[in-house]
Amino acid sequence: GENVEQHPSTLSVQEGDSAVIKCTYSDSASNYFPWYKQELGKGPQLIIDIRSNVGEKKDQRIAVTLNKTAKHFSLHITETQPEDSAVYFCAASRQAGTALIFGKGTTLSVSS
Amino acid sequence: NAGVMQNPRHLVRRRGQEARLRCSPMKGHSHVYWYRQLPEEGLKFMVYLQKENIIDESGMPKERFSAEFPKEGPSILRIQQVVRGDSAAYFCASSPKGGSGNTIYFGEGSWLTVV
Repeated sequence: GENVEQHPSTLSVQEGDSAVIKCTYSDSASNYFPWYKQELGKGPQLIIDIRSNVGEKKDQRIAVTLNKTAKHFSLHITETQPEDSAVYFCAASRQAGTALIFGKGTTLSVSS
Repeated sequence: NAGVMQNPRHLVRRRGQEARLRCSPMKGHSHVYWYRQLPEEGLKFMVYLQKENIIDESGMPKERFSAEFPKEGPSILRIQQVVRGDSAAYFCASSPKGGSGNTIYFGEGSWLTVV
């Protein structure tokens, strides 16, 4: 089955800096890659996703890149702000009819 | 997260009791997923259901755990004879249809504590 690895597990940046989180997946049939943000005591919230027919997607300060050949995808947050502090999860979807498989998460801390 | 309703938000059970967690998907969504999150760990897939059908239960423990999504009413995750290791946050998510590439939306979770 699918396996998703996520790095780093923790990331500390200064406000205004960029943050990059990387994930790799094992199943070459996976074709959907969302990213979720989880704040303490809350459920995961979708922040951006990418499908395998594109290599990059951007939404304001957040961007995601996908390299299908290497089977890895990354989340880029620019101009980080303290409110970006949270746990971020990447995920991959296998064949049709199956559920998302998540990475173990990255705790991002943005200090002002 | 808006729209996926989970209750109770917090549940305390003694060892050996039963825990029932309920999930109402977003309006118009007929696919429900249950995930478990242990402290400081990621989200582990448990089960994927469509109305009246279990599509994938490969992540469900073999014993004590069951899930259903009846034609009418919420999806239920049932844990019988709870043990301390069952203490975790249980998240429900829903999507409008199944298959790869369909966005899923999570609820706020149910925190189970077994004492």
